Amino acid sequence: KAGVTQTPRYLIKTRGQQVTLSCSPISGHRSVSWYQQTPGQGLQFLFEYFSETQRNKGNFPGRFSGRQFSNSRSEMNVSTLELGDSALYLCASSAETSGKSDTQYFGPGTRLTVL
Amino acid sequence: AQSVAQPEDQVNVAEGNPLTVKCTYSVSGNPYLFWYVQYPNRGLQFLLKYITGDNLVKGSYGFEAEFNKSQTSFHLKKPSALVSDSALYFCAVRDSGTYKYIFGTGTRLKVLA
Repeated sequence: KAGVTQTPRYLIKTRGQQVTLSCSPISGHRSVSWYQQTPGQGLQFLFEYFSETQRNKGNFPGRFSGRQFSNSRSEMNVSTLELGDSALYLCASSAETSGKSDTQYFGPGTRLTVL
Repeated sequence: AQSVAQPEDQVNVAEGNPLTVKCTYSVSGNPYLFWYVQYPNRGLQFLLKYITGDNLVKGSYGFEAEFNKSQTSFHLKKPSALVSDSALYFCAVRDSGTYKYIFGTGTRLKVLA
């Protein structure tokens, strides 16, 4: 099975722009979560989508949004980019067939640099 | 609230020596515990998990973890460290109410040749 894929892998934007990141989960996985990783803040949870519905949300401003499509692929959007949004954005998927014991598998991440 | 703690920011160990990366947790109900490893500029890779059963869980790359309910710990271990084990290690617990995965702050492991 192919793993979680994220596109693009690298992105450079300027302040004020918006960006859309894409994540394709492992085939058959229904849950997709997004995380922001920075050297100072560690791994921060953004949100989780399950069967096209946002099931969980972290403590990020409304500039960060996401969605999930019927094929479980997910996108996250960041509007009005700020310098502090520079980070590695990680997507993870899980099958959600075994309940709470399911394992989350991560993609390689998208490195976003905001200038 | 459910949480995990990784008390050490960094662990140094000599190659060939046993290694331990510590994790403690706080959950209500049964814990579902995970360990991940992250190499530079990569995503997190799953190492192992504890659901129920044997307290010693074996995982990838020779790693194992010991679940201790009385001490609420889930320490990652390896009998003989390799330089290639140098990476960032994350412990995680799954919240039984919200299904969120809650990650620790990470421990950087350095294995010295």
